[in-house]
Amino acid sequence: AQTVTQSQPEMSVQEAETVTLSCTYDTSESDYYLFWYKQPPSRQMILVIRQEAYKQQNATENRFSVNFQKAAKSFSLKISDSQLGDAAMYFCAYSPQGGSEKLVFGKGTKLTVNP
Amino acid sequence: ETGVTQSPTHLIKTRGQQVTLRCSSQSGHNTVSWYQQALGQGPQFIFQYYREEENGRGNFPPRFSGLQFPNYSSELNVNALELDDSALYLCASSLYYREQYFGPGTRLTVT
Repeated sequence: AQTVTQSQPEMSVQEAETVTLSCTYDTSESDYYLFWYKQPPSRQMILVIRQEAYKQQNATENRFSVNFQKAAKSFSLKISDSQLGDAAMYFCAYSPQGGSEKLVFGKGTKLTVNP
Repeated sequence: ETGVTQSPTHLIKTRGQQVTLRCSSQSGHNTVSWYQQALGQGPQFIFQYYREEENGRGNFPPRFSGLQFPNYSSELNVNALELDDSALYLCASSLYYREQYFGPGTRLTVT
């Protein structure tokens, strides 16, 4: 069974600084998709970034980028120029297909952004 | 473009009762997935519906059941509620083989 592990229950960062959230996963599949979702106090899960395992190039979305290490089964999220609105729970998730198959989530990392 | 909506926002039920949660998928999406998120945990997959058929199920008992309608909206039904069913229930919609978009969730409290 696939598993996703987030080893940092909580992280904090100063506004305008950079922070990296860690995620490791376990799977025997060669094709799969990885995601980072953000869940603010409003509870709505928001897709931050998506990475296809067959792509060697790391995904980027504005201030968000990932470091995908397939052999190490590692998938970290880097947030640059952190903003107060980035404060939220961040969940790493795995899916065996395009992302519409079931998502397997980690337990999350609570990110605090200090002014 | 209308996003994923869920109703009700929150509700309180008594152990042993039954509950129905509703989800309207994002316009154009044909797949709906349901997740249970206990306090302080990541979401757990309950089941998924694709074109009105169940298309995968997580490790949840049969008292968790669902439906998808021709307009791709969906219901989650839970019978014989237990205290451990207290959680945030999230609905997500997608096009098949594409990423999922989540609704705001329904907070269920079982007393």
